[in-house]
Amino acid sequence: GQNIDQPTEMTATEGAIVQINCTYQTSGFNGLFWYQQHAGEAPTFLSYNVLDGLEEKGRFSSFLSRSKGYSYLLLKELQMKDSASYLCAVLNSGNTPLVFGKGTRLSVIA
Amino acid sequence: NAGVTQTPKFRVLKTGQSMTLLCAQDMNHEYMYWYRQDPGMGLRLIHYSVGEGTTAKGEVPDGYNVSRLKKQNFLLGLESAAPSQTSVYFCASKPGQGARSPLHFGNGTRLTVT
Repeated sequence: GQNIDQPTEMTATEGAIVQINCTYQTSGFNGLFWYQQHAGEAPTFLSYNVLDGLEEKGRFSSFLSRSKGYSYLLLKELQMKDSASYLCAVLNSGNTPLVFGKGTRLSVIA
Repeated sequence: NAGVTQTPKFRVLKTGQSMTLLCAQDMNHEYMYWYRQDPGMGLRLIHYSVGEGTTAKGEVPDGYNVSRLKKQNFLLGLESAAPSQTSVYFCASKPGQGARSPLHFGNGTRLTVT
């Protein structure tokens, strides 16, 4: 089976840093994705991690620890437009589809 | 390049009615997926296809059927709609089996069943 956990909601202040955690349990791991989804819109791709460590992409970074079944998405210099849901998704080995967590709704306040 | 296009964008159905949701992609992608998204439930996979003429069941397939007669189109059918099928439906595609390839999503179809 697949179990992916992430917090339901988070609130952070404009200009601050926020870390959104994701833990997962899987029988065969082949990578972890983060997507951003603004209200009423489609999810859009943010990052992909398959090796342990930190991948940095501008204000957004994603970290993976395969041994701990743990990832986080780090958002720096928060802007109001970062208010959105952030979806963690795990790819298992073989030809199996991506499995999504329930998403974390981030609210950025002034 | 339109990407992934879903039609219709909105629909209201009465219980027992049928309808077909159309997903079209112009990126020559092999793999296509139908997800539904409900508050507090995240994205759940209904059916998917790994190539023209193939389909497979996902996590929540009951009450839905799909067809992939042409590579660029993936149709989702509801034969007899139920209020539990009120949801936002997203279609997605990706080039093939490559793990790193992200999903490309359509803009969603908002379906209400009364």
